Amino acid sequence: DIQMTQSPSTLSASVGDRVTITCRASQSIGTWLAWYQQKPGKAPNLLIYRASSSESGVPSRFSGSGSGTEFTLTISSLQPDDFATYYCQQYTNYPWTFGQGTKVEIK
Amino acid sequence: QLQLQESGPGLVKPSEPLSLTCTVSGGSTSSSSHYWGWIRQPPGKGLEWIGSIYYSGSTYYNPSLKSRVTISIDTSKNQFSLKLSSVTAADTAVYYCATEVGDSGKMGYWGQGTLVTVSS
Repeated sequence: DIQMTQSPSTLSASVGDRVTITCRASQSIGTWLAWYQQKPGKAPNLLIYRASSSESGVPSRFSGSGSGTEFTLTISSLQPDDFATYYCQQYTNYPWTFGQGTKVEIK
Repeated sequence: QLQLQESGPGLVKPSEPLSLTCTVSGGSTSSSSHYWGWIRQPPGKGLEWIGSIYYSGSTYYNPSLKSRVTISIDTSKNQFSLKLSSVTAADTAVYYCATEVGDSGKMGYWGQGTLVTVSS
């Protein structure tokens, strides 16, 4: 299985901050990477696919980059609605695997 | 707008099977553009992909669960189902159904999730 490792596990930030979350794959996955946002008690919501393509309706402050084994999710200016947990997921090889999550908290 | 809704028992006894159904609306399970899948999340923990099924019936399972998992599809009812045998407390989780649209593996639509507790 391909292992996905996110850092940091928890991130404290303020409204307006630029936030970056990193996801590393245990082997090359090309750009077959998705990012999801999950709020408490809710299902995950797809933000980014193919490492850098934004899902329809996702605010432009969310962007993704990377290829191979290293990827980032950037929130350019953190908004109150963005405090949540973020997961990366690879879909190059079965089984699909997720990172352990990064919780973005209010500083 | 595609919508998915999980249904099934919220409490299952240890060693018994867990069975859940996902009903799809606003789209068709017979579509060749979608894979239909199950993901679970133990309380306070991360996400684990269980498996997926294509409209043709082809299935893909997580090897960690493969010996206990069966995913099936009923295109006449626009539903797909999960069966997990011989459950233990470690199978207690919120179970989500989701659909992979466009790219296989990209989960664009999710159900709201259903908590299944394994307890006697």
